Amino acid sequence: GAVVSQHPSWVICKSGTSVKIECRSLDFQATTMFWYRQFPKQSLMLMATSNEGSKATYEQGVEKDKFLINHASLTLSTLTVTSAHPEDSSFYICSARDPYTEAFFGQGTRLTVV
Amino acid sequence: AQSVTQLGSHVSVSEGALVLLRCNYSSSVPPYLFWYVQYPNQGLQLLLKYTSAATLVKGINGFEAEFKKSETSFHLTKPSAHMSDAAEYFCAVSDERGSTLGRLYFGRGTQLTVWP
Repeated sequence: GAVVSQHPSWVICKSGTSVKIECRSLDFQATTMFWYRQFPKQSLMLMATSNEGSKATYEQGVEKDKFLINHASLTLSTLTVTSAHPEDSSFYICSARDPYTEAFFGQGTRLTVV
Repeated sequence: AQSVTQLGSHVSVSEGALVLLRCNYSSSVPPYLFWYVQYPNQGLQLLLKYTSAATLVKGINGFEAEFKKSETSFHLTKPSAHMSDAAEYFCAVSDERGSTLGRLYFGRGTQLTVWP
């Protein structure tokens, strides 16, 4: 199947700083990318959907100024957690798809804010 | 609207025993259905998918699932569990034919434990 690479796989940052997570589709053009958040022992919660070159569509309750999503090219989307706080600590997963196949998932990023 | 219910947050089986993970869905349009597996601190790996072709779908690692429209179910089975099958399993439905770009709606997940 197609490969989606997410980087970094884990990151620790200080409270108040910003963290950027990258999601790349390595062998296909990702017209749509999805960002999820997963709490321990829970399911995936969709945060936002982005199309290449367009503004992301955020799910209800997700702060767009807190979680900045950029999908500037067909192979790269980034999620920036701004002014991170301990409650933002979580597992973040991206997925990417083109119009012809199902979505493929990155390996996830474990964010710990201290 | 689409939704998924996974019955049983935890399932335990002995190695070599049948694995049955239950999934029921609700969809306002003909659904696309998926099963994913997640190992600790990793992303999701697609096990199999139903996209309106054959109702019995075979996936990787010996798993299969049967789409039953009358029961709105898509249960995942494997005849003989292996220790390496221990993981979290997620059922998901997509509104592929809808307007939200094929977003996935996930169940809560089922943790499969395999005893030696």
